[in-house]
Amino acid sequence: AQSVTQLGSHVSVSEGALVLLRCNYSSSVPPYLFWYVQYPNQGLQLLLKYTSAATLVKGINGFEAEFKKSETSFHLTKPSAHMSDAAEYFCAVSEANAGNMLTFGGGTRLMVKP
Amino acid sequence: EPEVTQTPSHQVTQMGQEVILRCVPISNHLYFYWYRQILGQKVEFLVSFYNNEISEKSEIFDDQFSVERPDGSNFTLKIRSTKLEDSAMYFCASSSGQGTTEQFFGPGTRLTVL
Repeated sequence: AQSVTQLGSHVSVSEGALVLLRCNYSSSVPPYLFWYVQYPNQGLQLLLKYTSAATLVKGINGFEAEFKKSETSFHLTKPSAHMSDAAEYFCAVSEANAGNMLTFGGGTRLMVKP
Repeated sequence: EPEVTQTPSHQVTQMGQEVILRCVPISNHLYFYWYRQILGQKVEFLVSFYNNEISEKSEIFDDQFSVERPDGSNFTLKIRSTKLEDSAMYFCASSSGQGTTEQFFGPGTRLTVL
């Protein structure tokens, strides 16, 4: 069975600082991994996804994530936070033999201080 | 830009009543999903639907729940005899394919059972 753990339900950074949101997964087969962002009163929007091609994945809004099989991790980073990055971020996993079902982590609320 | 829409945005109902949550997926998508998020908990998969039938469902999706695509555009989730613990945000999603294909999420319906 697949599962996702996001360390830190709340992360606070200053504007311009590095953003690091942690995600660890458990999967019995090579996983597909996703990061979604949710702004207030909106649906989840895909930031980026890992599909077994390049291990460093670039997404929208300057975010990127690196798949590390040895650490079963898929941490999300951005070099310089903007106020507009304040939102909830969800890591999710699906397995090739488990159809389209996404299993989500608990989410991390990112706060950006001026 | 095409988007998934959901109505209503907020539904309040009495325990034991039936509710229908409505979704309009993106028009050329073939795969449809419902997820829910109980306040303070993870986003959880409920069901996926393809070719007019359920393709996957979670343990949460018991006989109390049903899904339907009644007219080729709407995708509905019916919850019979609602319970207090059904109170949650319900998200509809759609995708054009399987596996790593992006699932596009609607803004959600907040269901409150009193």
